[in-house]
Amino acid sequence: QQQVKQSPQSLIVQKGGIPIINCAYENTAFDYFPWYQQFPGKGPALLIAIRPDVSEKKEGRFTISFNKSAKQFSLHIMDSQPGDSATYFCAALITGTASKLTFGTGTRLQVTL
Amino acid sequence: NAGVTQTPKFQVLKTGQSMTLQCAQDMNHEYMSWYRQDPGMGLRLIHYSVGAGITDQGEVPNGYNVSRSTTEDFPLRLLSAAPSQTSVYFCASSPNGGPYEQYFGPGTRLTVT
Repeated sequence: QQQVKQSPQSLIVQKGGIPIINCAYENTAFDYFPWYQQFPGKGPALLIAIRPDVSEKKEGRFTISFNKSAKQFSLHIMDSQPGDSATYFCAALITGTASKLTFGTGTRLQVTL
Repeated sequence: NAGVTQTPKFQVLKTGQSMTLQCAQDMNHEYMSWYRQDPGMGLRLIHYSVGAGITDQGEVPNGYNVSRSTTEDFPLRLLSAAPSQTSVYFCASSPNGGPYEQYFGPGTRLTVT
């Protein structure tokens, strides 16, 4: 049973565009939502994270939008660059418990010139 | 700091063989975890540890054993390799006692024939 559903599976945008990656969850006990970025042949790296008490968080060109009532959150990449081409994973966690991070299935982003 | 290191980078096993994937970190992180990454399935948690001497099962623990005798090391043992264990394995560590800011190793690509 997939607890975090991520879409789309792949995405191609032109340089300067704003790719949007969406994630949805069922378990309302989730209270920490990180995004990881993974380049080919490398391990994932934490990009940005949000808790459900805020609706938006920005770090540089990366923004997370969070809709608690819809149980959805999304990653926006402003002014996307070819160097942003990577696979992006959303994830969810229930803090203070057994602390198991549940990942989405990933979105492969390609930013073209 | 070397961060999180994993050995070997690549490994080919025959069905039924056993082996140990090594993971070490030099950041004095208490929380360590093992994931497997398969196409279209994201990262799935195999086992995790919140400190030396403490381990617990993740989402897909069958066929794998772990131990945590020191803070630095968290080896993953495949007891009797099966083709279904062909995957890329990532070790991660995190401060703060939980998977809030995980630092991933470079991965081990394992093929079981």
